Amino acid sequence: AQTVTQSQPEMSVQEAETVTLSCTYDTSESDYYLFWYKQPPSRQMILVIRQEAYKQQNATENRFSVNFQKAAKSFSLKISDSQLGDAAMYFCAYTNAGNMLTFGGGTRLMVKP
Amino acid sequence: EAGVTQSPTHLIKTRGQQATLRCSPISGHTSVYWYQQALGLGLQFLLWYDEGEERNRGNFPPRFSGRQFPNYSSELNVNALELEDSALYLCASSWGETRADGYTFGSGTRLTVV
Repeated sequence: AQTVTQSQPEMSVQEAETVTLSCTYDTSESDYYLFWYKQPPSRQMILVIRQEAYKQQNATENRFSVNFQKAAKSFSLKISDSQLGDAAMYFCAYTNAGNMLTFGGGTRLMVKP
Repeated sequence: EAGVTQSPTHLIKTRGQQATLRCSPISGHTSVYWYQQALGLGLQFLLWYDEGEERNRGNFPPRFSGRQFPNYSSELNVNALELEDSALYLCASSWGETRADGYTFGSGTRLTVV
């Protein structure tokens, strides 16, 4: 079974600074997709960024980028120029066959003004 | 375009009762997924419905069940409620080959069992 691990229960960053959230996963598959979701206090899960395992280029969405290391099974999220609105729970997720997302335990990000 | 809608927002039940949670997917989405988010335990996969059929089930007892209607909306039923069933229940929807797109989530139903 696939597992997703987020080793940082909480992270803190100063406004305008950069922070990196870690995620590792375990799979024997070669074709899969990885995602980062954001869950603000409103509870709704919002897709932040996605990465296809067969693509070597790291995905980027505005201030959000990933460092995808397939051999190491690592998928970290970098948030640049952090804003107060970035404060939320962040979940790393994995899927391959069956369209079922497997989530990590989450990292709570706090942004200090 | 309306997003994924869940009702009710909050639900309080007594131990032993039954709870029914509802989810309406985004128009055009045929798959509905249910996740349980208990405090401190992350998101646990419950059920996946597609085209009216149950496609996959997580490691939950049979008292967790559901169905998908012809309009692709879905119900999650939890029978014989236990205190540990208290959690946020999230519904998500998708269409077709979703692995690249991820899912679209609703805002959840907060179930409290007393």
